[in-house]
Amino acid sequence: AQSVTQLDSHVSVSEGTPVLLRCNYSSSYSPSLFWYVQHPNKGLQLLLKYTSAATLVKGINGFEAEFKKSETSFHLTKPSAHMSDSAEYFCVVSRLRGTSGTYKYIFGTGTRLKVLA
Amino acid sequence: NAGVTQTPKFRVLKTGQSMTLLCAQDMNHEYMYWYRQDPGMGLRLIHYSVGEGTTAKGEVPDGYNVSRLKKQNFLLGLESAAPSQTSVYFCASSYRSGSSYEQYFGPGTRLTVT
Repeated sequence: AQSVTQLDSHVSVSEGTPVLLRCNYSSSYSPSLFWYVQHPNKGLQLLLKYTSAATLVKGINGFEAEFKKSETSFHLTKPSAHMSDSAEYFCVVSRLRGTSGTYKYIFGTGTRLKVLA
Repeated sequence: NAGVTQTPKFRVLKTGQSMTLLCAQDMNHEYMYWYRQDPGMGLRLIHYSVGEGTTAKGEVPDGYNVSRLKKQNFLLGLESAAPSQTSVYFCASSYRSGSSYEQYFGPGTRLTVT
């Protein structure tokens, strides 16, 4: 079975400091992993995805994530936080749905990032 | 391209009332999904569709019905609303279903059932 755990429900950082949002997954095979961002009262927007190519994935708005198989982690980072990064972030793993041949998303419970002035 | 749109954006219902949420996408995607989002629980899949005329149950289908009469539209119905259905509902679509295909999300519908 596959699941995803976001280790922090809330993270606060000062503007200009690094951001680290942690995500661990469990998987019986090499998964596809995604990070989505949700700004207040908005839908989810894809930040980046890992699909078994390069282990360091660069996304939009300066975010990147590194797939570490040995640690079963896919942490999201950004070198310097902006006020506009304040939002909720979801780590998602894609897995097969039974024997149907289709895939489904499994969502983490989310990390709310607050960037302080 | 508008992407994925949802109608309405907000709705308040009384217990027992019915309503339909409309999702439309203009990306010619085969797959469409309905999720609900509740605090601290991430998103949970209600129903999904793998193509026009097909629907299937997700993780939390009870109390909801769906229809996909046209490829670009996916409707979510509540026949008899209950307070437990107070939530934010998101529609999503994807080109296909594969481990690497991302889903595109609409802006959400905030539903309150009193």
